[in-house]
Amino acid sequence: SQQGEEDPQALSIQEGENATMNCSYKTSINNLQWYRQNSGRGLVHLILIRSNEREKHSGRLRVTLDTSKKSSSLLITASRAADTASYFCATDVVTGFQKLVFGTGTRLLVSP
Amino acid sequence: GAGVSQSPRYKVAKRGQDVALRCDPISGHVSLFWYQQALGQGPEFLTYFQNEAQLDKSGLPSDRFFAERPEGSVSTLKIQRTQQEDSAVYLCASSPPLGDTQYFGPGTRLTVL
Repeated sequence: SQQGEEDPQALSIQEGENATMNCSYKTSINNLQWYRQNSGRGLVHLILIRSNEREKHSGRLRVTLDTSKKSSSLLITASRAADTASYFCATDVVTGFQKLVFGTGTRLLVSP
Repeated sequence: GAGVSQSPRYKVAKRGQDVALRCDPISGHVSLFWYQQALGQGPEFLTYFQNEAQLDKSGLPSDRFFAERPEGSVSTLKIQRTQQEDSAVYLCASSPPLGDTQYFGPGTRLTVL
């Protein structure tokens, strides 16, 4: 079963706008990761944030983590048409090995 | 190789047929994972190998699913007597020793008619 929910399920914006996606999860985690999936392709790792971190940046990506609320957000700034994809959060639950539990995903459409 | 590779990329099977899906992980990666992704959903964990040892198979949906990694490198996911509900994309991922990031292959899209 999925770990949690992502919100919104779908997001449509114009190039240059910012996109924010939210993820909620259920259990204690070691870290939380965000992945991108283009249509019909595999998952590409974007960024990892550890449970003791609150915010992390990578290029145009900004991730926040609130372990008290069991939630995370991914912000993509100055979006481009090439950012069109599905975005998934994945939690590395505390099991003794790295078992990723994915959310349901947000489908992002960036129009030129 | 440069990344995780999977074959075939697409597989169409008639209900009741057996299928075998192959995964070639990144060289040197000891951990290997299989996930199942239904249409419109996020991937769901199937099984995990550390080298040749299958340490967790709790996600395998039934005893028709079997995975192996006999030499600690290439892995095969076998599905016996396929059913329509087995239709999905099967993703393989590998990670290096002490690594946190899983690197995914392109997946095999299985369609059972």
